[in-house]
Amino acid sequence: EAGVTQSPTHLIKTRGQQATLRCSPISGHTSVYWYQQALGLGLQFLLWYDEGEERNRGNFPPRFSGRQFPNYSSELNVNALELEDSALYLCASSGRWGQSNEKLFFGSGTQLSVL
Amino acid sequence: QKEVEQNSGPLSVPEGAIASLNCTYSDRGSQSFFWYRQYSGKSPELIMFIYSNGDKEDGRFTAQLNKASQYVSLLIRDSQPSDSATYLCAVNGGTYKYIFGTGTRLKVLA
Repeated sequence: EAGVTQSPTHLIKTRGQQATLRCSPISGHTSVYWYQQALGLGLQFLLWYDEGEERNRGNFPPRFSGRQFPNYSSELNVNALELEDSALYLCASSGRWGQSNEKLFFGSGTQLSVL
Repeated sequence: QKEVEQNSGPLSVPEGAIASLNCTYSDRGSQSFFWYRQYSGKSPELIMFIYSNGDKEDGRFTAQLNKASQYVSLLIRDSQPSDSATYLCAVNGGTYKYIFGTGTRLKVLA
């Protein structure tokens, strides 16, 4: 069974451009989470989607946005890129919302570099 | 106060020893607790989870949870150089948002 898949693996952009990152959850999972991990830092919660709806977002500016599609895959968009947006962006998925013991599984990440 | 706190380390232990990693959390409503291992440049990998007070063992790993003290720990027995990684503690609270600590870097010395 396929795990969480993310694309692209690496993305290089210049300041001011827009970046789009994609994620496909594990089959049967309906929740998708996005995290940012800057070099040497911890995982910072960005966004959580479940059943197509944004359920929660972290302390990030509105230029970080996303959506979840009917097949539960998700897209993270970062507008007006800044140098400090350079980081590893991790997508994770879990089962049905409301099950507090659901486990979170991560994809391999997208390394975004802003020049 | 940070929601999930871990000592950043590095924690250095000799090969074959027991490594003890600790984590505290602030939300008393937290219900699920997880340990992830992250190798440099890789994504986090789930290695242990625990929901109830007490100990849970899986191979060389033991997770311990004390909800009264808001404390969760991970013991790694017979530590191997391949265990050298950053270990992330994660907590799932009432908001169903997974909060991660900043991780403890473990170095197992051969």
